[in-house]
Amino acid sequence: DVQLVESGGGLVQPGGSLRLSCAASGFSFSSHWMTWVRQAPGKGLEWVANVKEDGGEEYYLDSVNGRFTISRDNAKRSLYLQMDSLRVEDTAVYYCARGMNPHNWGQGTLVIVSS
Amino acid sequence: DIVMTQTPLTSPVTLGQPASISCSSSESLVYSDGNTYLSWFHQRPGQPPRLLIYKISTRFSGVPDRFSGSGAGTDFTLKISRVETEDVGVYFCMQAKQFPYTFGQGTKLEI
Repeated sequence: DVQLVESGGGLVQPGGSLRLSCAASGFSFSSHWMTWVRQAPGKGLEWVANVKEDGGEEYYLDSVNGRFTISRDNAKRSLYLQMDSLRVEDTAVYYCARGMNPHNWGQGTLVIVSS
Repeated sequence: DIVMTQTPLTSPVTLGQPASISCSSSESLVYSDGNTYLSWFHQRPGQPPRLLIYKISTRFSGVPDRFSGSGAGTDFTLKISRVETEDVGVYFCMQAKQFPYTFGQGTKLEI
């Protein structure tokens, strides 16, 4: 079975940084694009970033471009999201998902940006 | 950015009866490869979303056949032939034709 387990969320002050991780299992990780999607409390879904199978292409939501960096380590079967210069409006549950068009999703990790 | 608009935002339904959700996009979702990258997701309270349908009408693995998708170009529909209790929650459409990928606002299915 496909499993995606996110970690690294927590409480951070505005302007701070966090690094989210996603451990993947049950599929050929290096053969799939990977995606981060977020959901603010009580709100809808917002696509954040995608990374190609080999890490050679990355795409970002405009509001996070230049502040967030998506990356992957295929040897470790892991996906990452480095989040810098965090803003209050980045508060959300962050989901890791398999595929450009998210097929399988993790349970999510909560990021709270607050002073 | 492509804007995705869902109607209705809330849908009261009756168990065993059909239900339908519409999604329209601000521009055609037909990609240069001829495919139309429109997907539907379902999210139960407190759970992550799960993929139901992709490329308008292809059901994802394990999705019951009471779910079906249709449409073309800019107008799409998700239909549930007979609503079951487990179908409550919020349904989202999403376009993956171009970055940034965008979701509809969500439609809450209530029994």
